[in-house]
Amino acid sequence: GQNIDQPTEMTATEGAIVQINCTYQTSGFNGLFWYQQHAGEAPTFLSYNVLDGLEEKGRFSSFLSRSKGYSYLLLKELQMKDSASYLCAVRPGYTGTASKLTFGTGTRLQVTL
Amino acid sequence: EPEVTQTPSHQVTQMGQEVILRCVPISNHLYFYWYRQILGQKVEFLVSFYNNEISEKSEIFDDQFSVERPDGSNFTLKIRSTKLEDSAMYFCASRGTIHYEQYFGPGTRLTVT
Repeated sequence: GQNIDQPTEMTATEGAIVQINCTYQTSGFNGLFWYQQHAGEAPTFLSYNVLDGLEEKGRFSSFLSRSKGYSYLLLKELQMKDSASYLCAVRPGYTGTASKLTFGTGTRLQVTL
Repeated sequence: EPEVTQTPSHQVTQMGQEVILRCVPISNHLYFYWYRQILGQKVEFLVSFYNNEISEKSEIFDDQFSVERPDGSNFTLKIRSTKLEDSAMYFCASRGTIHYEQYFGPGTRLTVT
């Protein structure tokens, strides 16, 4: 089965750093994705990790530990526009040609002044 | 920048009616997906499509659902006889052959009354 856990809500201050955690138990693993979703809009791709370690992309970084089934998304220098839901998604272990993504429920981040 | 487009943005239909949701994936992508998101819930996989056939489908994707790629650009999702519980945001997504990230369209909000 697939189980992906994220905190439901987080609040942080503009200019600060926030870390959003994701733990997963899935039948196989072939990569973890982070997406940003503003209310009423589509998910937009942020990052992809398939090997252990940290991937940095501007103000956003994502970390993966496959042995612990754990990832986090780190957002630096928070801006008001970063208020959104952040979705953790896992690509399953079988190498189907068009393998799906399984999403967590998402973490709603509110950035305050 | 190329993007996935979807029409209509909002569709209201009566229970038992057929609806067709349309998507134009990114032009050089070969893998296509439909997901849905019931209000306040997580994004759920419906079906993946590659090489003119269904690659995988979820339990949600029962006999009432079908997908088609009628020409070289469009990708459609048909619901034959809509139910109240089909009310959701339906997202189309596509990806290329090199990278695994999926790019989502803006969605069609389906309301079944």
